[in-house]
Amino acid sequence: EEQLVEYGGGLVQPGGSLRLSCTASKFTFSRFEMNWVRQAPGKGLEWLSYIDNGGSTTYYADSVKGRFIISRDNAKNSLSLQMNSLRVGDTAVYYCARERGAPRYCSGGRCYSATRYLDLWGLGTLVRVTS
Amino acid sequence: QAVLTQPPSASGTPGQRVTISCSGSGSNIGTNTINWYRQLPGMAPTLLISSDDQRPSGVPDRFSGSKSGTSGSLAISGLQSEDEADYYCAAWDDTLNAHVFGGGTTLTVL
Repeated sequence: EEQLVEYGGGLVQPGGSLRLSCTASKFTFSRFEMNWVRQAPGKGLEWLSYIDNGGSTTYYADSVKGRFIISRDNAKNSLSLQMNSLRVGDTAVYYCARERGAPRYCSGGRCYSATRYLDLWGLGTLVRVTS
Repeated sequence: QAVLTQPPSASGTPGQRVTISCSGSGSNIGTNTINWYRQLPGMAPTLLISSDDQRPSGVPDRFSGSKSGTSGSLAISGLQSEDEADYYCAAWDDTLNAHVFGGGTTLTVL
């Protein structure tokens, strides 16, 4: 069964750093774009970061830009999130998620929108930022 | 403040049909497909509907999605108690270069 498992969460003080990892199994990791999404306690889902399958293109949410760095090691089927300058507001469960998608295309006189979605999620790892 | 707008709560009785709406803009739902995720209590989110109206393998046909312009909706027919969960709409935003989510809708089966 295809699976994503996150680890590396824990307790950290404000201003500290933490590195999360996500290990993929039972699928060809290098073929897929990947993302990190988090959920603060009692709150909704917040997308954090994207990386393409080769690791050359990355995007970040404004809330973490300049503080978090996404990376991947396709040889190790591993995705990482380096989190620096952590704040109390970064307390959340962090999920890695696999992305699938297709560009916009037209066929038979009809055009179809581009699609991008997160089809496989890990169980999450909890990060608590507290003094 | 979520980029996509959905009602915070919805409810229905067993067997009923409920719908959850999701509103966005031209840079997200207006250009890309809308997707729906379900999060059961204490669990990780899972993909429920992709590409506006596609059900992944294993998702019952009681769940359906639709989109028109910059809005979309999720419909659940034949409501069951196990459908109690949080439901999130999402789409890729071409301006933000980001997956944007709605704030989530908590579905209660009365």
